[in-house]
Amino acid sequence: SQQGEEDPQALSIQEGENATMNCSYKTSINNLQWYRQNSGRGLVHLILIRSNEREKHSGRLRVTLDTSKKSSSLLITASRAADTASYFCATASLGTDKLIFGTGTRLQVFP
Amino acid sequence: EAGVTQFPSHSVIEKGQTVTLRCDPISGHDNLYWYRRVMGKEIKFLLHFVKESKQDESGMPNNRFLAERTGGTYSTLKVQPAELEDSGVYFCASSPDRIGYTFGSGTRLTVV
Repeated sequence: SQQGEEDPQALSIQEGENATMNCSYKTSINNLQWYRQNSGRGLVHLILIRSNEREKHSGRLRVTLDTSKKSSSLLITASRAADTASYFCATASLGTDKLIFGTGTRLQVFP
Repeated sequence: EAGVTQFPSHSVIEKGQTVTLRCDPISGHDNLYWYRRVMGKEIKFLLHFVKESKQDESGMPNNRFLAERTGGTYSTLKVQPAELEDSGVYFCASSPDRIGYTFGSGTRLTVV
C-alpha cells in the first residue's frame, strides 16, 4: 500500500496549546501538502512543501519535511477552538498527479 | 473567484439505483480530479481529467463507475448500479498547474 500514515489518530488539547501531527509516507515525492477538513465540509488546502524544502511557515502553521525519513510534521501554534477539524497530509509522487492521502488526525481544541 | 462546486451535497439512494454526481471546477482549470473517502478509510484517488480527456483512471473501482467531462468544463460521476460499499464522500478538485489543488465540499453518498 502507498497509503500515508498519520499519528496521532486523535488529539485533544486546550486552547492556546500547540498541536503537532506527524505524517509518514512510502514513495519518493515531488511535494507534500496538508489539508484540513471541518466536519461535513470539503478539504481546505493549508500548505505545500516541496521535496527540496525542509521547513515552511504560514501564519500559525509550521511544516517540516524530512525526505530521508519520509516523514513530515504539522505544528499549529496557539491553537483555537476553530482549529478543531481533521487534518490530512497528502503526497504527490514523482511521475504522477494523484495525491496519496494519509489516514488523518482528528484534532479537538477545547475552549 | 468561485471555488469548486459539487452537487448534490448529500444523496441517499437505494441499492441498485443510479446516482450522478456533478462537479464544476474553477473556470480555466484544465485539470479535474475525483477522490472518495469510503466510511472509515482513507481518501483515495479515482481519476484525473485534462480538459475532456481522461489522463489517469487507475483509481476507478469497477465498471459501475463512469466519469465524463464533456467540453472540458464540468464533470459528472455516475454510479450504476449503486452498491452499499459505494457509500462515502466523493470529492472533486481542480488545478491549473497539477501542483495546487482546490477541493470542493464533497458529495456525501449513502446507499441503503
